[in-house]
This record gives sequence, C-alpha cells and structure tokens, in this order.
Amino acid sequence: DSGVTQTPKHLITATGQRVTLRCSPRSGDLSVYWYQQSLDQGLQFLIQYYNGEERAKGNILERFSAQQFPDLHSELNLSSLELGDSALYFCASSVDSRGSNYGYTFGSGTRLTVV
Amino acid sequence: AQSVTQLGSHVSVSEGALVLLRCNYSSSVPPYLFWYVQYPNQGLQLLLKYTTGATLVKGINGFEAEFKKSETSFHLTKPSAHMSDAAEYFCAVKGAGGGADGLTFGKGTHLIIQP
Repeated sequence: DSGVTQTPKHLITATGQRVTLRCSPRSGDLSVYWYQQSLDQGLQFLIQYYNGEERAKGNILERFSAQQFPDLHSELNLSSLELGDSALYFCASSVDSRGSNYGYTFGSGTRLTVV
Repeated sequence: AQSVTQLGSHVSVSEGALVLLRCNYSSSVPPYLFWYVQYPNQGLQLLLKYTTGATLVKGINGFEAEFKKSETSFHLTKPSAHMSDAAEYFCAVKGAGGGADGLTFGKGTHLIIQP
C-alpha cells in the first residue's frame, strides 16, 4: 500500500457520460498530480494541485476538470466521455509543490472504460 | 521543455544476466531524474531518483542508475536479473528550475526475464 488511495478501481460508462475519480493523498502530502496512461499516448501529466490551488496544467482536455478540497483529497471530473478517454488514470502525491526532493507516490489507479 | 527517450520498448534478458535499460533526456535546466517500475495491474513504484550530488544512485531491489550529464543519460542497471524483475520500467524527468509541474515520462520499457 503506497498510502495514496484511488477510488473506484474500475469504472465502465457510456459515451457522453460524466464520471468523477477520487484520490486521497498520502498523509502529510500537500500536492496531488493526475496522470493518464493509455497505450497510444503513454503516461501523460494532466494537472497538479497544491494545498487546494491549481498549480500546473499539462495535457488536460477542456472536458476534464479537477479540484482539491480542504481535506486535500482531489477529484478528477471527466465529462462528455469519448471512447478515446478509456485509460488508466493515476493520482500521485508529494510533500511540496516541487516534489522533486521526495519523489512522487502513486496510487494504484482507476481503470476507465468508455463503451 | 523536457523530454525522455527510452531505447527499446522491450528488453529480454536471461535470469542472472545483467539488466541494462536505457534512458536519455533533454532538459533546459538541470534535471531531476527518476526510474519507476510498474507491475501488472498496479501503480508506479519509485525505484530510484537523482536530484543533486552523487551521480551514481542506488535504488531498491538491487537497481542503480548513473547520471551522465555529458551524455544526457540516466541508464538503469542491475547486475543479476531475477524473475521477479519482469515488469514495465519508466524513466521520468522534471526540470529543477523551480515552478511546479508534473513528471515527463518516457514510453516505457517492458523487461522480460527468460528462465
């Protein structure tokens, strides 16, 4: 157990629908990062939150959004889902906004299947 | 912007043989470099990281990597492969110039261990 908790582990939904993925960071970590892993794109950084505020954006689609709550858990919202959104979505956490000195701790991911 | 190239999407070695997984990076600032391992249906686990200081970094499970600035490389090695090393390995880079952004990952190398 890495200490980063992601729910649900699996999600199957239809095109056009909206889903919410949840992440609880490791105790003491203030930064949360979201990544998408797919066969064709590999691991892509989506977005980062630090202590409740958006810190950096990567290759995140406009149909996707995220937030980090006061208790530091984060949610990734995916809307108007397309078949191509099927992927493994990872959350990672780190102590500070840079994360570099401590590394990033990854959760076990949410596998999203859009049918 | 940073980028990572992992040479060889698949590497096959015999049990007991040397493991060498290649990673080259590009970064406009001194990089922080990471190797992660992903076992089937699991999240990413940090093997080792280079931030500053000694260029030869030792990680978990007998792995080590050497940062060579002149070659912009951070190859991962293990003297003697074990069957349990079979997994997907990812090299990642983050610029150390401050700012907050996620890791940039390579495409991954699937390590196959032959008995």
